Amino acid sequence: GAVVSQHPSWVICKSGTSVKIECRSLDFQATTMFWYRQFPKQSLMLMATSNEGSKATYEQGVEKDKFLINHASLTLSTLTVTSAHPEDSSFYICSASVDYYNEQFFGPGTRLTVL
Amino acid sequence: AQSVAQPEDQVNVAEGNPLTVKCTYSVSGNPYLFWYVQYPNRGLQFLLKYITGDNLVKGSYGFEAEFNKSQTSFHLKKPSALVSDSALYFCAVRDPDYKLSFGAGTTVTVRA
Repeated sequence: GAVVSQHPSWVICKSGTSVKIECRSLDFQATTMFWYRQFPKQSLMLMATSNEGSKATYEQGVEKDKFLINHASLTLSTLTVTSAHPEDSSFYICSASVDYYNEQFFGPGTRLTVL
Repeated sequence: AQSVAQPEDQVNVAEGNPLTVKCTYSVSGNPYLFWYVQYPNRGLQFLLKYITGDNLVKGSYGFEAEFNKSQTSFHLKKPSALVSDSALYFCAVRDPDYKLSFGAGTTVTVRA
């Protein structure tokens, strides 16, 4: 149980375009989902926390207008990278939790490459 | 603020030998500590956690970790490493606001 999926697993896009990444909890309802960013050979950095039906909470230094997060249902959260630039190229990982206080289950990640 | 440190960037061991990945923590209050493993281009897989109770925590794939309050450590161990254990390992601590803070990661290479 506790499976989290992400789609797509990898995406290549041109600079200036927008890219949407989906995070789904497959066998449980996730009130809370987290979005992380990971650069090569580095640790995970929390970008934002989203709660179903409410606005996401962004970490300091993360541009909320650039990284749009929507958590419209208990099984789906989306991260949209708007007007992507090469410096946005990274590995994006989501996690989901039954609620804010419980264990996070991680998705397999999405590799974004912006040309 | 809560934090964890992984002092070793890399750990290399021969298959069949014991494996230890080190983690030290700095927290105010009771620590909630986790170990995760990441294979190339994959997300994180949960190995084990310490919330309270026994200092020796047993987890997935034969891994265990020892919580040591006096040394503020939470080292991950496996008695006999496998080549398939080669991966990136992260120690993490849960903040009072329930967010996870990760260590820098330790790359484990197990040679045949």
